Amino acid sequence: SQKIEQNSEALNIQEGKTATLTCNYTNYSPAYLQWYRQDPGRGPVFLLLIRENEKEKRKERLKVTFDTTLKQSLFHITASQPADSATYLCALGGYNNNDMRFGAGTRLTVKP
Amino acid sequence: DTAVSQTPKYLVTQMGNDKSIKCEQNLGHDTMYWYKQDSKKFLKIMFSYNNKELIINETVPNRFSPKSPDKAHLNLHINSLELGDSAVYFCASSPSGNYGYTFGSGTRLTVV
Repeated sequence: SQKIEQNSEALNIQEGKTATLTCNYTNYSPAYLQWYRQDPGRGPVFLLLIRENEKEKRKERLKVTFDTTLKQSLFHITASQPADSATYLCALGGYNNNDMRFGAGTRLTVKP
Repeated sequence: DTAVSQTPKYLVTQMGNDKSIKCEQNLGHDTMYWYKQDSKKFLKIMFSYNNKELIINETVPNRFSPKSPDKAHLNLHINSLELGDSAVYFCASSPSGNYGYTFGSGTRLTVV
């Protein structure tokens, strides 16, 4: 069966460091992978999308890599800030973009 | 100017009741979704509609019936509510192509 696993339930880091979150998947050949941020009591907010033929995407302090051989995506937040504290979700989708599946999320806490 | 709006935000009801959750998007997106987020924060797709047509129906009890009167609305009706239906339900929408989803702020359903 298809599985999407995010490396850990929680990650604590010091302000200014780089946070690295991992998303692994099995029995899946996604056309693209997305990362979302979710704050308590709110809906997920789209951050970045990377396609199967792309290796890396950047947006301001965010960087996403996508390795379809390893079946893994890494999500980096550089120069992390306490305001980056949230749950980060990875999601995989097919070519039709109508069936996106989410991982369970990693709760990131950035300590000042 | 809310992009995806859901009502109500909170819903507390007794077992056996029938309830509806409404969703509207003003983004002009073609596809709308219902997701369920359980107590473990796992976000699971329930239904997907494209231009009022049902395209994804995951293994959801037939007590759940989505209805899309037009492209901008996707409502969720739930019959004979059970304790296990307690969760946060998120509506989302997306344009055609590989783009991120826009989520509503969620409806917290509590069945007592």
